[in-house]
Amino acid sequence: GNSVTQMEGPVTLSEEAFLTINCTYTATGYPSLFWYVQYPGEGLQLLLKATKADDKGSNKGFEATYRKETTSFHLEKGSVQVSDSAVYFCALGGTSGSRLTFGEGTQLTVNP
Amino acid sequence: EAGVVQSPRYKIIEKKQPVAFWCNPISGHNTLYWYRQNLGQGPELLIRYENEEAVDDSQLPKDRFSAERLKGVDSTLKIQPAELGDSAVYLCASSLDQGPGNEQFFGPGTRLTVL
Repeated sequence: GNSVTQMEGPVTLSEEAFLTINCTYTATGYPSLFWYVQYPGEGLQLLLKATKADDKGSNKGFEATYRKETTSFHLEKGSVQVSDSAVYFCALGGTSGSRLTFGEGTQLTVNP
Repeated sequence: EAGVVQSPRYKIIEKKQPVAFWCNPISGHNTLYWYRQNLGQGPELLIRYENEEAVDDSQLPKDRFSAERLKGVDSTLKIQPAELGDSAVYLCASSLDQGPGNEQFFGPGTRLTVL
């Protein structure tokens, strides 16, 4: 079955540091890949997505590239801000339906 | 545009009691999802509706959980009787359709505590 593995957290960075959160997946076929973010006290929000191999999703300075050869979708940001503090979830969408399979989430804390 | 609305936001009950959660999706969204999110984990799908029809309920514990979406708009998820292990956040989401890559919009969730 489908599965998503995220790097273990929590992650603590200083403002303006470089961020990488690793995500790898196992799936049949060609799934869509997503990063969702959950800010404190709020619901999950879509951050970015990619629907086919080599696609790059980007939003708010975050980027992730769909790498079929390494079954990865790592999230990166060149310079994090305190406001980026949140929990980040990598997710996989099945090819035949819309069930999302989530990773366990990575808590990011950015200190001033 | 209003987002996905859920109520209540918090619920505390004793075990063996019943509980119900309500969700109103974004207007025009035909697909509605209920997820459960245990502490420190990602959400897991319980059930998915296409209009009024439950098209994916394979992960729903049917001995105690039930759900309905009678008019293809809002939905109710019920647990009866609740157990200690049901403590979690119950998330509702909706989307325009079910195609690959389709964005799901999530509500704020209902945090259930079973004592």
